[in-house]
Amino acid sequence: DVKVTQSSRYLVKRTGEKVFLECVQDMDHENMFWYRQDPGLGLRLIYFSYDVKMKEKGDIPEGYSVSREKKERFSLILESASTNQTSMYLCASSSPHPGSDGNTIYFGEGSWLTVV
Amino acid sequence: EDKVVQSPLSLVVHEGDTVTLNCSYEVTNFRSLLWYKQEKKAPTFLFMLTSSGIEKKSGRLSSILDKKELSSILNITATQTGDSAIYLCAVDPTGANNLFFGTGTRLTVIP
Repeated sequence: DVKVTQSSRYLVKRTGEKVFLECVQDMDHENMFWYRQDPGLGLRLIYFSYDVKMKEKGDIPEGYSVSREKKERFSLILESASTNQTSMYLCASSSPHPGSDGNTIYFGEGSWLTVV
Repeated sequence: EDKVVQSPLSLVVHEGDTVTLNCSYEVTNFRSLLWYKQEKKAPTFLFMLTSSGIEKKSGRLSSILDKKELSSILNITATQTGDSAIYLCAVDPTGANNLFFGTGTRLTVIP
C-alpha cells in the first residue's frame, strides 16, 4: 500500500515563528503536492513538485515556501507564521499510472496547524 | 479562471435515504474528474471519471460524468451513518494530477 506520512499531526505555533511541515512518501512518486483545507473553501493548492529540487507555485503560494531535496520528501515551510495560516495542511503524492482501483493520488493524514 | 463547484454545501439525511451530490466545473482543459470521501483524516479515493455517460459503481455508491453539461453526480443509496463525511470533487485538467478541488459537500446521516 502507498503510504504518505505527515510527521506532525497537530501543532501550535506562535505568530512569527518558522514552521516546518514534513511529508514523506514511500512509492517513489515523482509528483508531490501541498494543499491547505479550510471550511467553505475546499482544498487549495499551495505548491507542487514534479522532481527533486523542482517546485512550482500553486494557487496560494504567498507566505509559504517548499523544499524537495530528496524524491521521497517534500517539506512545506512557513517562514513567519501568521494567524491566517491556521489551517489543515494535506500532503499528496501521485503516480501517472493508476492503481488497480483507478486512483493516482494518495494523501497524507493531514497536519492541523494553529497559529496563536 | 478554472473552478469546480459542489452542491449542496451540506446535507442532513436519515439512514436509508438516497442522496445525490452534484459537481460542476469550468476548466480550460479536462482530463478526468475524481470523487473522494473525507472523514476526519486523509481523503480516500472513490471514483475517477473520464468518459461521459459511463456509470462507475462501488457498492451503494455510483457516479456518472456528463461532459456536455460539465458536471458529475455522486449517488449514495440506502445511506448509513458511516457515510457521514465530506465528499470532495476534483478535476484534473492535464493528467498531471494537479487537481482543482470543489469546496466539498458535508453529508450527515442520522440514525
